Amino acid sequence: QSALTQPRSVSGSPGQSVTISCTGTSSDVGAYNYVSWYQQHPGKAPKLMIYDVSKRPSGVPDRFSGSKSGNTASLTISGLQAEDEADYYCCSYAGSYTWVFGGGTRVTVL
Amino acid sequence: EVQLVESGGGLVQPGGSLRLSCAASGFTFSSYSMSWVRQAPGKGLEWVSYISGTSSTIYYADSVKGRFTISRDNAKNSLYLQMNSLRDEDTAVYYCARNAGGLDFDYWGQGTLVTVSS
Repeated sequence: QSALTQPRSVSGSPGQSVTISCTGTSSDVGAYNYVSWYQQHPGKAPKLMIYDVSKRPSGVPDRFSGSKSGNTASLTISGLQAEDEADYYCCSYAGSYTWVFGGGTRVTVL
Repeated sequence: EVQLVESGGGLVQPGGSLRLSCAASGFTFSSYSMSWVRQAPGKGLEWVSYISGTSSTIYYADSVKGRFTISRDNAKNSLYLQMNSLRDEDTAVYYCARNAGGLDFDYWGQGTLVTVSS
């Protein structure tokens, strides 16, 4: 159950797009279309932003999008806004009702 | 409105025990699987344990297997985590989370802090 690999940080100016990668293995990301992404502001609980690789829960802006290719999933934030500054975690189902998270990526809005 | 409220955290010595609770409201608790996810100070998220709606299916992360026990009481709309033989590395904020219809976590509690220290 090794953690998924995410960049420690990414940054962008308001209005720009940023993409966060999430690399796993053929036993987790590559095996299932059950990758989810969570946004966490300091001192707050995580919030589901993307599930099943690319689906958005009700209420999540369409600026957030997800995709997957092989063992790597990605989250793209288009039209970056100040309130998007937060930590983002990817998560993959790993079989037998177990899950693995990424180490987290800090998104900074310049 | 879905609400998950954790309680039971605190300071405990290494080797000690603690029982966390999560009170659920705003949805049919027995119809959903639930999980515990933890976050060490300044670190990332780590899935800890899963329990199905009927308690028939239970899984644990290797890091807690044999030491932690997850359970639920559907009559009380409550989820529990019994933590024994606690170690320094178990220090974390523990979140209860609802497993959505798919295989993700759609609602989270605010977390309860567990500190293992002598």
